[in-house]
Amino acid sequence: AQSVSQHNHHVILSEAASLELGCNYSYGGTVNLFWYVQYPGQHLQLLLKYFSGDPLVKGIKGFEAEFIKSKFSFNLRKPSVQWSDTAEYFCAVVGSQGNLIFGKGTKLSVKP
Amino acid sequence: NAGVTQTPKFQVLKTGQSMTLQCAQDMNHNSMYWYRQDPGMGLRLIYYSASEGTTDKGEVPNGYNVSRLNKREFSLRLESAAPSQTSVYFCASRGDRGGWKPQHFGDGTRLSIL
Repeated sequence: AQSVSQHNHHVILSEAASLELGCNYSYGGTVNLFWYVQYPGQHLQLLLKYFSGDPLVKGIKGFEAEFIKSKFSFNLRKPSVQWSDTAEYFCAVVGSQGNLIFGKGTKLSVKP
Repeated sequence: NAGVTQTPKFQVLKTGQSMTLQCAQDMNHNSMYWYRQDPGMGLRLIYYSASEGTTDKGEVPNGYNVSRLNKREFSLRLESAAPSQTSVYFCASRGDRGGWKPQHFGDGTRLSIL
């Protein structure tokens, strides 16, 4: 069965620091990968997605992610975080039923 | 342009009570999903419906039932609520024409069972 691992449970950064959140998936075939963000008290919003093509994917709000097939990874990056980026971030892969299989999430706290 | 609408937004139940969580989407999507979100667990799939009239179990279906009433609506029922079902419940829908499309999520229902 497919699975997604997010290695960082809670990341604390100061404003302007660079961010990288790790995500690894288990499936070796064709994968569709996503990063979602959940701001406090809100629903999930899609940050970016990878289906095929350029492995460097740019999303909203300055986020990007790189798909590295050999490492089964899809890490999320942002060069300079802001206080408003404080949220929980979820990596996800499409399951066999079209559902999403989520990682356990990484909480990001950005200190002003 | 509502997208996915969930009701209620908050609910407190006593152990053993029953409750139906409602979900409706106005995007003419075939597929609908119910997830629960628990701290440190991410979102886990409870049930899904690939089309009107069909439902299937997900990862954590025990204690729940679902109904795909029509194409728009997909309800989740707790027949006898238990404290372990305290969670935030998210409904999602997905279109499936013209290739794979990402899911749209509702705002969630926060359910507490005492």
